[in-house]
Amino acid sequence: GAGVSQSPSNKVTEKGKDVELRCDPISGHTALYWYRQSLGQGLEFLIYFQGNSAPDKSGLPSDRFSAERTGGSVSTLTIQRTQQEDSAVYLCASSQTVWSNQPQHFGDGTRLSIL
Amino acid sequence: GQQLNQSPQSMFIQEGEDVSMNCTSSSIFNTWLWYKQDPGEGPVLLIALYKAGELTSNGRLTAQFGITRKDSFLNISASIPSDVGIYFCAGQLPPGGTSYGKLTFGQGTILTVHP
Repeated sequence: GAGVSQSPSNKVTEKGKDVELRCDPISGHTALYWYRQSLGQGLEFLIYFQGNSAPDKSGLPSDRFSAERTGGSVSTLTIQRTQQEDSAVYLCASSQTVWSNQPQHFGDGTRLSIL
Repeated sequence: GQQLNQSPQSMFIQEGEDVSMNCTSSSIFNTWLWYKQDPGEGPVLLIALYKAGELTSNGRLTAQFGITRKDSFLNISASIPSDVGIYFCAGQLPPGGTSYGKLTFGQGTILTVHP
């Protein structure tokens, strides 16, 4: 597609439920990144993929968070047993490759609210 | 870990005035990026800087990559109402290591422009 596409745009769920967030990167971009933005804050790095490989998972806040990417395109971020502190905007970005130094372009995010 | 200090946190200016904001880091970055974020949307890339000392313009925007590679500034000249939003700086580490791909973001500068 023309830009990074994320779905759903909004998600409200009860504490303890699992959620799955989806990111469809710009066509041809092999690098994909997930960030989290809490209210009024900057962006916090979570994880990135080069192709289907995730070399750096150190940004994931806990073992309740996981991400996968198959086919080198769409990625899903899964949060299990959600907690209220997981409420945030989850942003996805993509770039041509992680090594090309090309800038990352962002989607509009998924706004996650945990009740 | 790396930290970016962005200032000022907020600015209230009159239309037509010039604006300046900056970021400093405790680490050397290979790339500096400036993004603008409007409410409900993802960050949009404004300017990308790749070399120490580089000065780049994009319309009324000018940004520089500091000589020490630990700082950058963004200037907006002759501000207009649509400049309103949150501006973020972001730095990318030099190649090598599994953390190369991620961006470290500043806390953001909230810009308000009064007509």
